[in-house]
Amino acid sequence: DVKVTQSSRYLVKRTGEKVFLECVQDMDHENMFWYRQDPGLGLRLIYFSYDVKMKEKGDIPEGYSVSREKKERFSLILESASTNQTSMYLCASSLWGANYEQYFGPGTRLTVT
Amino acid sequence: AQTVTQSQPEMSVQEAETVTLSCTYDTSESDYYLFWYKQPPSRQMILVIRQEAYKQQNATENRFSVNFQKAAKSFSLKISDSQLGDAAMYFCAYRSSNGGSQGNLIFGKGTKLSVKP
Repeated sequence: DVKVTQSSRYLVKRTGEKVFLECVQDMDHENMFWYRQDPGLGLRLIYFSYDVKMKEKGDIPEGYSVSREKKERFSLILESASTNQTSMYLCASSLWGANYEQYFGPGTRLTVT
Repeated sequence: AQTVTQSQPEMSVQEAETVTLSCTYDTSESDYYLFWYKQPPSRQMILVIRQEAYKQQNATENRFSVNFQKAAKSFSLKISDSQLGDAAMYFCAYRSSNGGSQGNLIFGKGTKLSVKP
């Protein structure tokens, strides 16, 4: 079974802190994604990566950056956390190809105070 | 740009009954994929069912089936013999088969399904 894990289920940070969210997948997937999930807004894509060191902006990249130094690991970075970044963050991975499903991690609920 | 609309924020169904969740989408593409994902409370999102746009036959997975109307750009999910474990948020999603941002899913805002015993 594909397994996507995220470093934390719950995280509380202060405004202005640098925040790292880690995601690891164990199925050698080329594609990895970071989404943000907010009530009434569904899931919105922040960034995705289709290969090591490769990244593309999604719909809401402002205030975020990403890093993919190894194929299995994709990190989301909040350079200076703000209260409007309080949200649920979901990581996903998939094989390269539009017909392949995405496998999701359990999510990290981030609260910025 | 493609969009996905789920017009029912919340739905309720009696256990063992059938419920249909609606989804419409907007695209100018002819080749794409549609998905229904399920997110149970405090649990991971999982794929329920997938439909390729070039296939006319509606996809079916056990108690889950879709009604895919390509011309109407409609992709509804029917859950038969509803069970308590079906209670979840359901997301409809679209994925282009073109290159570029290939692999990205475009999600609807979700429908929260409650199942009454």
